[in-house]
Parts: sequence; structure tokens; C-alpha cells
Amino acid sequence: DAGITQSPRHKVTETGTPVTLRCHQTENHRYMYWYRQDPGHGLRLIHYSYGVKDTDKGEVSDGYSVSRSKTEDFLLTLESATSSQTSVYFCAISRLAGSYEQYFGPGTRLTVT
Amino acid sequence: AQKVTQAQTEISVVEKEDVTLDCVYETRDTTYYLFWYKQPPSGELVFLIRRNSFDEQNEISGRYSWNFQKSTSSFNFTITASQVVDSAVYFCALNRAGANNLFFGTGTRLTVIP
Repeated sequence: DAGITQSPRHKVTETGTPVTLRCHQTENHRYMYWYRQDPGHGLRLIHYSYGVKDTDKGEVSDGYSVSRSKTEDFLLTLESATSSQTSVYFCAISRLAGSYEQYFGPGTRLTVT
Repeated sequence: AQKVTQAQTEISVVEKEDVTLDCVYETRDTTYYLFWYKQPPSGELVFLIRRNSFDEQNEISGRYSWNFQKSTSSFNFTITASQVVDSAVYFCALNRAGANNLFFGTGTRLTVIP
């Protein structure tokens, strides 16, 4: 196990409400990522972080924000959830960028009604 | 632009059969990395292998083997003597050197029938 936990593991929320998902790692890895998994799309990168307070956008960042105040925690926030954000969200970590494999957390299933 | 195509959406095989999962990629970069991940029914993503663009040697790990061919932009994955525990969705992914975005294919669902 790569020492990654995600919370909550399941969440049902209503359209328009804010939602925060948490990713916690015990590996002290510099890079952390948030992906969403949807049928027919594989996994797509939402945001990533390359250090404390250093973040950048991924392929599908609209409607999402992130924060990283500590090396071990990376938060994903949906400011006003929409039904199109119903998905499974995975956090991943990597020791280095690019060439190195990413290790994934167990995922969070989010349903927006 | 980077793109990964896994044309096989679903495959079913009988236990002990060999099966090959296809992965075709597109990139303009000369240095890149290819990956395979396994997602069993429990839902987690398990890293299987990483291969860089300069190493075309085939790799074997137990019943798993990978065939990387730059000439055809393919990185295929073969499971020999399949087992029920191999039933999962398998994803191929691509990353540029120094970049942070893993580009995933849409996955191939493998079902091994006992």
C-alpha cells in the first residue's frame, strides 16, 4: 500500500452545495494529484500539486479548486456541486513528476442529486 | 497532443487461456513514459509497469508480459494462463517527460470465466 487515504469514501450531496474531498498521504511525496473517473473517459486530471501551496490546473479543472497547506494533505473543493460532477474521484501521489509512476488512493464516490 | 487508445472495451476468456490487451498511443514527444494499471472490482488502481520510450525490450513478470513497439506506437499487455483473479479493468497511460498529466485510455474490462 502506498499510504494514501481519502475521505469521505462515499458522499451524496445536493446540487449547489459545497463539497470538500480530502487526500492524506504518509509517504512524504512531493507530488499529489486529483483525478476523476467517468465511464468512457478513463481517468482525467483535475488539479495537481508540486509542493506546499504550489498547485496547477489539469485537463478538467473548471468548477474545482484545490489547496495544499501541508505536505501530507491535498484538498479538492467543489464550490457549488453540479450533477455533472457526479463521479469517482481518485487522489494520487508521486515521488517525482513525469517519468515516475503515480500511486492511487482508494477513491471517493460522489453523487450530486 | 497525447492520446491513448484501448480499442477493446471488453474481453472475456476462459480460465487458463492467454489474452492480449492492446494499447496504441499518440505523442509528438521523443521522450515519454508508458504505464499499465489494473483496477479490480474492488475499485482501487494498482500500478503494474512503467516503460520509457528508449527501452523497447519486452518485459516479463510472472504470467504478465509487455510488448513495446515504437514502430507501431503500441504497448500491449499479455496475460498467460489467465486466472479468475485477473478479472479487472486494465488501463494504459502515457506521460511526457517532466509533465504531470497521465493520459489514460478508456480501459479494457477483462472477464476470466472459470
